[in-house]
Amino acid sequence: SQTIHQWPATLVQPVGSPLSLECTVEGTSNPNLYWYRQAAGRGLQLLFYSVGIGQISSEVPQNLSASRPQDRQFILSSKKLLLSDSGFYLCAWRRGGDTQYFGPGTRLTVL
Amino acid sequence: AQSVAQPEDQVNVAEGNPLTVKCTYSVSGNPYLFWYVQYPNRGLQFLLKYITGDNLVKGSYGFEAEFNKSQTSFHLKKPSALVSDSALYFCAVRDKDTGFQKLVFGTGTRLLVSP
Repeated sequence: SQTIHQWPATLVQPVGSPLSLECTVEGTSNPNLYWYRQAAGRGLQLLFYSVGIGQISSEVPQNLSASRPQDRQFILSSKKLLLSDSGFYLCAWRRGGDTQYFGPGTRLTVL
Repeated sequence: AQSVAQPEDQVNVAEGNPLTVKCTYSVSGNPYLFWYVQYPNRGLQFLLKYITGDNLVKGSYGFEAEFNKSQTSFHLKKPSALVSDSALYFCAVRDKDTGFQKLVFGTGTRLLVSP
């Protein structure tokens, strides 16, 4: 069966510091991968998606970037965090079917 | 553009009573619709989906959803609510204008089931 991991689970960072969030998927190959942000505990905003290694598309201009160095690894980064980057970051995967499956999320607080 | 609306910010129901969480959609062509549930500080869990076929879709944890094309609705239902069903529920539609299976989510409905 497939499993998706995200770490860290929680993170508190000062404004201006760098960021690296990691997402890995087990039990499948060549998945589509997605990064979402959930602000204020409600709406989900798609940030990035990837259909393969090194293939990243951005949905919304952000202070963030994404990379996919390996088939089942998806990384969300920032060089300098802003207060507005605070939120709950969710990674999701899809393989073949229509359903996206989500990871446990990372709670980021920027102070 | 494809979209879904969840008109209720919160739904309150007593344990044992039936529950309904509403969702309406706006799409061109046939919709692909989904329901997810989110418990506090957790990721989203897939409940069920409608792609084609029977208008009544059965999913996880005893939930079901009814697709109604004439009313452009996809309401989530459960015959008998449990306190443990209390969570945040999201309706979503697949955006067919993109080639990567983008999901467009509603704003979420908080379900509170009282003992």
